[in-house]
Amino acid sequence: DTGVSQNPRHKITKRGQNVTFRCDPISEHNRLYWYRQTLGQGPEFLTYFQNEAQLEKSRLLSDRFSAERPKGSFSTLEIQRTEQGDSAMYLCASSLLAGGPPETQYFGPGTRLLVL
Amino acid sequence: AQSVTQLGSHVSVSEGALVLLRCNYSSSVPPYLFWYVQYPNQGLQLLLKYTTGATLVKGINGFEAEFKKSETSFHLTKPSAHMSDAAEYFCAVSAGGTSYGKLTFGQGTILTVHP
Repeated sequence: DTGVSQNPRHKITKRGQNVTFRCDPISEHNRLYWYRQTLGQGPEFLTYFQNEAQLEKSRLLSDRFSAERPKGSFSTLEIQRTEQGDSAMYLCASSLLAGGPPETQYFGPGTRLLVL
Repeated sequence: AQSVTQLGSHVSVSEGALVLLRCNYSSSVPPYLFWYVQYPNQGLQLLLKYTTGATLVKGINGFEAEFKKSETSFHLTKPSAHMSDAAEYFCAVSAGGTSYGKLTFGQGTILTVHP
């Protein structure tokens, strides 16, 4: 068990560029979550997958954001036409839903995005 | 809808003193409650969680929390602070229903431990 990994750990981009982040969950975990954390705030839910199905998206997830989880393994989060307000830490978490709730979410180290 | 309020964005204690981090929640359904800790440049690590049953929950590193439904609280305590406890702590709630996996976090409390 190597834990949840995220790449890259840091990303600096210019406004208007597209960026993509990757999350590799703990193997055999069927749920995967994306959160966003800005300075001085707690993480905010963005979206989550159960296997390859995206089950819920937050209103925070504008149409510039898209997330995928092909084959129910790793996930990618893409931000198109980045804006300075997108600067944040993007956290990924995975969990194993087996039987009833609540499952424990295991978090990755995050990807810190800075939009200039 | 769920919400979490953590009273005090910064708490400072002396090494060996009691640690008390406050968390109040709002939930329209019976909640599941969590405390996570975040060290600098690291992801969140689960300290403890309340699901059902015993209202006093023990976690890692000597932390514990008590679920008080009448007060809608889930305060985190540790009898004796250690320097290594310095970190940011987040309280979170997960509700039932179709969104039960989603966590709603408080704004966090930074714990400073003085020698």
